Amino acid sequence: EIVMTQSPATLSVSPGERATLSCRASQSVNSNLAWYQQKPGQAPRLLIYDASIRATGIPARFSGSRSGIEFTLTISSLQSEDFAVYYCQQYNNWSYTFGQGTKLEIK
Amino acid sequence: EVQLVESGGGLVQPGSSLRLSCAASGFTFDDYAMHWVRQAPGKGLEWVSSISWNGGSIGYADSVKGRFTISRDSPKNSLYLQMNSLRTEDTALYYCARVGLQTDAFDIWGQGTMITVSS
Repeated sequence: EIVMTQSPATLSVSPGERATLSCRASQSVNSNLAWYQQKPGQAPRLLIYDASIRATGIPARFSGSRSGIEFTLTISSLQSEDFAVYYCQQYNNWSYTFGQGTKLEIK
Repeated sequence: EVQLVESGGGLVQPGSSLRLSCAASGFTFDDYAMHWVRQAPGKGLEWVSSISWNGGSIGYADSVKGRFTISRDSPKNSLYLQMNSLRTEDTALYYCARVGLQTDAFDIWGQGTMITVSS
């Protein structure tokens, strides 16, 4: 099973600042990596797919990148509505695993 | 409006069975692979099961293999999860999710249905 490891578990950032979230795969998943945002009491929402493509309606302040088995979600200037839990997910060869999540909180 | 609506959740005893349903609307159901994902209270997301657009390919997490069965009914635009031999560790909010046409990421999610397994 491919294990996805997210870091940090909690990230405290001030509104207007940049947030950088990381996700590492235990083996290659190519670019088959998605990022989701989940707010309390809500279903997850797809932000980024194929490592770097923004989903429909996602603001440009959200961006994703890949370097080998390391993936990064960057939020360029945090808005109040961005404070939530973020999950990465790999979907490679009919295999699907999520990271444990990063909670992005207001500093 | 593209929508997924889960139903069938509830409180059940260990060892019992339950069938979840997911009603799809606003898109051509036959074109999409579908998934079940669960989230235990206060925990992260766990993929449970997948079914391809035509039902020809199916997958399960090891934690549910042999106990859960995924299926779909195209005329009814519905996805199902038959859950047998339920355990306390199956307690979770169960989401159905759609795979995108241009990606295997999950682009549409329902609001979930809660399963509580307890004696």
